[in-house]
Amino acid sequence: GEDVEQSLFLSVREGDSSVINCTYTDSSSTYLYWYKQEPGAGLQLLTYIFSNMDMKQDQRLTVLLNKKDKHLSLRIADTQTGDSAIYFCAEINRDDKIIFGKGTRLHILP
Amino acid sequence: EAGVAQSPRYKIIEKRQSVAFWCNPISGHATLYWYQQILGQGPKLLIQFQNNGVVDDSQLPKDRFSAERLKGVDSTLKIQPAKLEDSAVYLCASSTTGLAGGPQYFGPGTRLTVT
Repeated sequence: GEDVEQSLFLSVREGDSSVINCTYTDSSSTYLYWYKQEPGAGLQLLTYIFSNMDMKQDQRLTVLLNKKDKHLSLRIADTQTGDSAIYFCAEINRDDKIIFGKGTRLHILP
Repeated sequence: EAGVAQSPRYKIIEKRQSVAFWCNPISGHATLYWYQQILGQGPKLLIQFQNNGVVDDSQLPKDRFSAERLKGVDSTLKIQPAKLEDSAVYLCASSTTGLAGGPQYFGPGTRLTVT
């Protein structure tokens, strides 16, 4: 079956780097995404990576993809209080459907 | 550019009642999606429209859920009759293209509580 797995919680001190991990099952995934959801809001697309890439960097965000292990990570450098949110990993499966994980709640410690 | 609009933001109904949600996508976006997000889970696609046609409704519980996008712009999602397990946030999203990989822009959602 298709599944996207994430740890549910992560606590990080302000100023440190946050690393949110995700594993997926569909080896034919073409695109993998990271979305951010703040309380009471919809999902905001943060970044995405094509399956033929290993890494993508966009300002404070770095996405790493290990296709062999079906592992995706999102690193947020210099984590700020405004980064506190739920982060969803998602993949496009072989049926061109987007499948979301359950989300990782990022909590920022002062 | 205005974002995806949804109304109402909150709705509380009793089981067996009916409810309707409305979505206005970003202007010019041909593809519109309805998702159900149960507390503690990621969004699950209910239905996808390309203009006014249905592309995918395989996960829509058709015995009680219906959706339409008559003029290819705004859309309504209806639940009739509602069950307790329908309590969730209903998210609408739109994109310029229905092709895999196209970024989807989400509205703020409608939080439905069924009592």
